[in-house]
This record gives sequence, C-alpha cells and structure tokens, in this order.
Amino acid sequence: DVKVTQSSRYLVKRTGEKVFLECVQDMDHENMFWYRQDPGLGLRLIYFSYDVKMKEKGDIPEGYSVSREKKERFSLILESASTNQTSMYLCASSPRGAYQETQYFGPGTRLLVL
Amino acid sequence: SQQGEEDPQALSIQEGENATMNCSYKTSINNLQWYRQNSGRGLVHLILIRSNEREKHSGRLRVTLDTSKKSSSLLITASRAADTASYFCATALRGNTPLVFGKGTRLSVIA
Repeated sequence: DVKVTQSSRYLVKRTGEKVFLECVQDMDHENMFWYRQDPGLGLRLIYFSYDVKMKEKGDIPEGYSVSREKKERFSLILESASTNQTSMYLCASSPRGAYQETQYFGPGTRLLVL
Repeated sequence: SQQGEEDPQALSIQEGENATMNCSYKTSINNLQWYRQNSGRGLVHLILIRSNEREKHSGRLRVTLDTSKKSSSLLITASRAADTASYFCATALRGNTPLVFGKGTRLSVIA
C-alpha cells in the first residue's frame, strides 16, 4: 500500500515564524503535491513537483515555497507565517508522468497561526 | 471559477438508503475521479472514470459520466453510517495539468 506521511497532525505557530511542513511517500512516486483546504473553498493547489529539485506553482503559491531534495520528501515552507495561512494542509503523490492519475494523500496537517 | 462543482453541498439520509451526488464541470476532461474524506483526515481515492467510459462500478459505488452534459454522478447503494464523509470530484483537464478538485458534498448517514 502507498503510504504518505506528514510530519505533524496539528501545529500551532506564531505570526512571523518560519514553518516547515514535511511530507514523505514510500512508493517511489515522481509527482508530489501540496494543497490547502479551507471550509467552503475545497482543495487548492499550492505547489507541485514532478522530480527532484523541480517545482511548479499551483493556483495559490503566494506566501509559500517548497523544497524537494530527495524523491521521497516534499517540504512546504511558510517563510513568515500569517494568520490567513491557518488551514488544513494536505500532501499527495502520484506515479511518473501521471499528474492526472490517482493521487495518494497524507492524513493532513492542521496549522493554526496565532 | 471552480472547474468541478458538486451538488448537493450536503446530504443527509437514513442507513440503507441510496445516496447520489453529482459533479458538473466546464471544460473537456481526460478523466474524472471521486475521492472520500473522513472528518479531519486525508482524501482517499474511490474511482476513476475516463472520458471514453460511461459507467464504472466498485463494490457499492457506481459512477456515471456524461460528457455531453459535462456531468458525473456518484451513487452509493445501501449506505452505512461508515459512509459518512465528504465526497469530492476531481477533474483532469485536457493537457497534462494537475487535477482540479471541487468543494465537496458532505454526506451524513444516520443509523
């Protein structure tokens, strides 16, 4: 079974802090994705990556950056957290050349920025 | 604007009844997928239907796709309390772009 894990289920940070959200998958998937989920807005794509060191902006990249130094790990970075970044963050992965095939999701990180 | 829109936003049924939720989209697709999300958890893939397919089944799930109407439906038969969750459709647009998710239908199955 594909397993996607996220470093924290719940996280509380202060405004202005630098925040790292980590995602690891164990199925040798090339593609990895970061979404945020907010009530009434559904899932919105922040960034995705199709290979090590490669990244593409999604629909809402502002205020975020990403890092993919190893194939299995995709990190989302909030350089200076703000209260409007309070949200549920979901990581997902999918196999090579298959942005549009099944995505496998982690359990999510619920981030609260105070 | 959203590519995929689920309808209804919320649905409440009795255990044993069938649940039907719909997804409409705007532009041509390569495939359409349905996912389930239990409260506070990640999404789980349920079924993928390609643009040249009209119907697919998986256990108690039945998905239809009508490309002429740009719509899909997910039917859950003989629902159970454990089916209580949010259900999302995701569309794969023409071209190799990431999936676009709708806002979801919240299903409550009452025992």
